[in-house]
Amino acid sequence: GQNIDQPTEMTATEGAIVQINCTYQTSGFNGLFWYQQHAGEAPTFLSYNVLDGLEEKGRFSSFLSRSKGYSYLLLKELQMKDSASYLCAVAKAAGNKLTFGGGTRVLVKP
Amino acid sequence: DTAVSQTPKYLVTQMGNDKSIKCEQNLGHDTMYWYKQDSKKFLKIMFSYNNKELIINETVPNRFSPKSPDKAHLNLHINSLELGDSAVYFCASSQQGRNQPQHFGDGTRLSIL
Repeated sequence: GQNIDQPTEMTATEGAIVQINCTYQTSGFNGLFWYQQHAGEAPTFLSYNVLDGLEEKGRFSSFLSRSKGYSYLLLKELQMKDSASYLCAVAKAAGNKLTFGGGTRVLVKP
Repeated sequence: DTAVSQTPKYLVTQMGNDKSIKCEQNLGHDTMYWYKQDSKKFLKIMFSYNNKELIINETVPNRFSPKSPDKAHLNLHINSLELGDSAVYFCASSQQGRNQPQHFGDGTRLSIL
């Protein structure tokens, strides 16, 4: 089976940096995705990591360590619109199957 | 617009009824999915089809039956609805390949009275 853990909620200030951690245990690892989901809306793709290291995309970066079963999503220069849930999802080799964590709700305060 | 679109957006019905949710994607993707997101916001895979062929079938009651008439459509039919079926159901699609992100529809909010 797969266990994916991420904090339930985080609060940060506009303009600051927040790091959302995700730990996982799985067999047949085929990459890790991060999605953003605003309340009442569809999840939208943010990043994908399959090799160890940091992937940077503008204000968002994602890191992966396969040996530690660990990833983080880093959000810089936080804006109010970044208030959302951030979902960590692990892909298994067969059938492009994604297993999602419970999501981390980030609240950005002025 | 290029997108994954699902209908209806809201579905309110009584226990015991049968209902269907439709999904269409015009992204040219080969693979489509159905997910259930419960009140605790866990998003769980239910089914996946690749070119009309079922490839993922999680432990879902057989009251749920997906149908894919072509690779651009994946519909979900639910028989004998129960209170526990209340959730948001998301359709998604992707290209084949491990690094291909899934694109989600806006969800169908199903409420069972």
